Amino acid sequence: AQTVTQSQPEMSVQEAETVTLSCTYDTSESDYYLFWYKQPPSRQMILVIRQEAYKQQNATENRFSVNFQKAAKSFSLKISDSQLGDAAMYFCAYRSAPFTGANSKLTFGKGITLSVRP
Amino acid sequence: DGGITQSPKYLFRKEGQNVTLSCEQNLNHDAMYWYRQDPGQGLRLIYYSQIVNDFQKGDIAEGYSVSREKKESFPLTVTSAQKNPTAFYLCASSRLAGGRFLYNEQFFGPGTRLTVL
Repeated sequence: AQTVTQSQPEMSVQEAETVTLSCTYDTSESDYYLFWYKQPPSRQMILVIRQEAYKQQNATENRFSVNFQKAAKSFSLKISDSQLGDAAMYFCAYRSAPFTGANSKLTFGKGITLSVRP
Repeated sequence: DGGITQSPKYLFRKEGQNVTLSCEQNLNHDAMYWYRQDPGQGLRLIYYSQIVNDFQKGDIAEGYSVSREKKESFPLTVTSAQKNPTAFYLCASSRLAGGRFLYNEQFFGPGTRLTVL
């Protein structure tokens, strides 16, 4: 079974600075997807970014980028130019590929609470 | 607007009662999921369904039941057998892959907070 570990329960960043959230995972599979989800105080889960394991290039979405190290099974999220609206809980998640049967489910880490200081 | 709705937003249950949480989607997604969120635990999968009239247990199915009579609807019943039901419940849905590299994001509803009195 796959596991996802987020070892830092809380982090803080100054507004406009850069912060990196860590995530490691364990799997014996060679192909899979990795995700970062954001859960603000409203508790609505929002997809931030995704990475396909077969792609060597790190995914980027505006101020959000990942550092995907497949051999190390590491998937960190970097938030540049942090804004007050980035304050939320962030979850790392894993899904097997291809998308069939039990492989369709997401396995989540326990989350990191990010606070942004003005 | 396409999306997922969950009702009610807050639900209170007396011990020994069964309660049903509603989840409806108009995204034409085949797959639907129920997750439970507890403080410090992340999200854990309760049940999921990939097609009408079929569903599978997730990691923590004991004390819960579901049905999938319509593609749009996937209600979750929390039974009296669930010993610690106080939690935040999230419903999600996604397409099923048509090809190996087709991306299938899970979209989430706003959640239901269940409290046992």
